[in-house]
Amino acid sequence: DTEVTQTPKHLVMGMTNKKSLKCEQHMGHRAMYWYKQKAKKPPELMFVYSYEKLSINESVPSRFSPECPNSSLLNLHLHALQPEDSALYLCASSQDGANQPQHFGDGTRLSIL
Amino acid sequence: AQRVTQPEKLLSVFKGAPVELKCNYSYSGSPELFWYVQYSRQRLQLLLRHISRESIKGFTADLNKGETSFHLKKPFAQEEDSAMYYCALSVNQAGTALIFGKGTTLSVSS
Repeated sequence: DTEVTQTPKHLVMGMTNKKSLKCEQHMGHRAMYWYKQKAKKPPELMFVYSYEKLSINESVPSRFSPECPNSSLLNLHLHALQPEDSALYLCASSQDGANQPQHFGDGTRLSIL
Repeated sequence: AQRVTQPEKLLSVFKGAPVELKCNYSYSGSPELFWYVQYSRQRLQLLLRHISRESIKGFTADLNKGETSFHLKKPFAQEEDSAMYYCALSVNQAGTALIFGKGTTLSVSS
């Protein structure tokens, strides 16, 4: 399996809802990432997990809460989001270390009502 | 400041013409640079990394530290090269934090 799988593909939620985005990979990668991508913009790094520990948080608001329950899974818990959080959320994974290519999922398209 | 600049939003060429997608970077450390590509309705994927100095799908990119550039080149464009191309810079020692340029859409027509 050489893919990063993200679920759901689409999510519509209200500002008071709690939901989670899921990401899974079975390539043995020990680094996993969340990015946010607005329309016609490049991906922006949100979080990096390395060996299941959070190593980078790019000053992301606390209404986004990442979790890495094991080496294959990465979740992004969402609570009390704002309309401006509507975007495509991309998950990626890579081998740990420098110059390793990141493998991206198809993303979850999130809409906040 | 760490920055990746892709000056062209759109580059339109004819099939068989040479292509050069520009990328300039600003980084105080030793740069690690990548080109990622997104074809229509496909996921973002790695095209090239400077460390490997390889040619993928006829594309090459050379790191020029003097000019702080990492331009992507192909001598003869094909229609299937039409896509969005992002230049990316790794900005931490672990090599895990990427910042992306704004991207260039390459359109190749016959």
